[in-house]
Amino acid sequence: NAGVMQNPRHLVRRRGQEARLRCSPMKGHSHVYWYRQLPEEGLKFMVYLQKENIIDESGMPKERFSAEFPKEGPSILRIQQVVRGDSAAYFCASSLGQGDYEQYFGPGTRLTVT
Amino acid sequence: AQSVTQLDSQVPVFEEAPVELRCNYSSSVSVYLFWYVQYPNQGLQLLLKYLSGSTLVKGINGFEAEFNKSQTSFHLRKPSVHISDTAEYFCAVSEGASGYSTLTFGKGTMLLVSP
Repeated sequence: NAGVMQNPRHLVRRRGQEARLRCSPMKGHSHVYWYRQLPEEGLKFMVYLQKENIIDESGMPKERFSAEFPKEGPSILRIQQVVRGDSAAYFCASSLGQGDYEQYFGPGTRLTVT
Repeated sequence: AQSVTQLDSQVPVFEEAPVELRCNYSSSVSVYLFWYVQYPNQGLQLLLKYLSGSTLVKGINGFEAEFNKSQTSFHLRKPSVHISDTAEYFCAVSEGASGYSTLTFGKGTMLLVSP
């Protein structure tokens, strides 16, 4: 009975490269949330997706960041042309569906940009 | 817009002593409230939640929290802590008016339990 899975757990990228972070929600969950945790700060909401739909991306930076949750496969958070300021822990959470307010978090992906 | 304030960035305490981690929120609408715990290099685990009903909420690992609407607070308590409770604790709020739950987190409180 796997929980929320994220991979890779650690990712190192040079400035200018692309980072792809993957999230597989809990079995039966169709809603995915992405959060970013910067050093010395709490988690900040980035984007909320349902299968094939972006519902709320109010927390996403306007450039270089994108997210998807295809019909089949994991949700992907993509960061193009990474900069040092993108270094952070990125957490994915999933929930059962609309009206379900309990989110289950994955272990996170720690991105380091050198 | 909603916000969450965790008044203490770090709380040192001796083992078996009681502890309270403070959380205040601001929101213009009804909210749902959560406490999460994060152990080093791990994800977040839900400790407890308040959605409605009794204002005293009991969670896992002996933690409880009380929702106080007039003071807009949701403080976390444990009567006797263990070394294993050393972790970072996050308070979070969701307005939920849209039918889904994007969480707004506080900056966290590091609980340091020493022998």
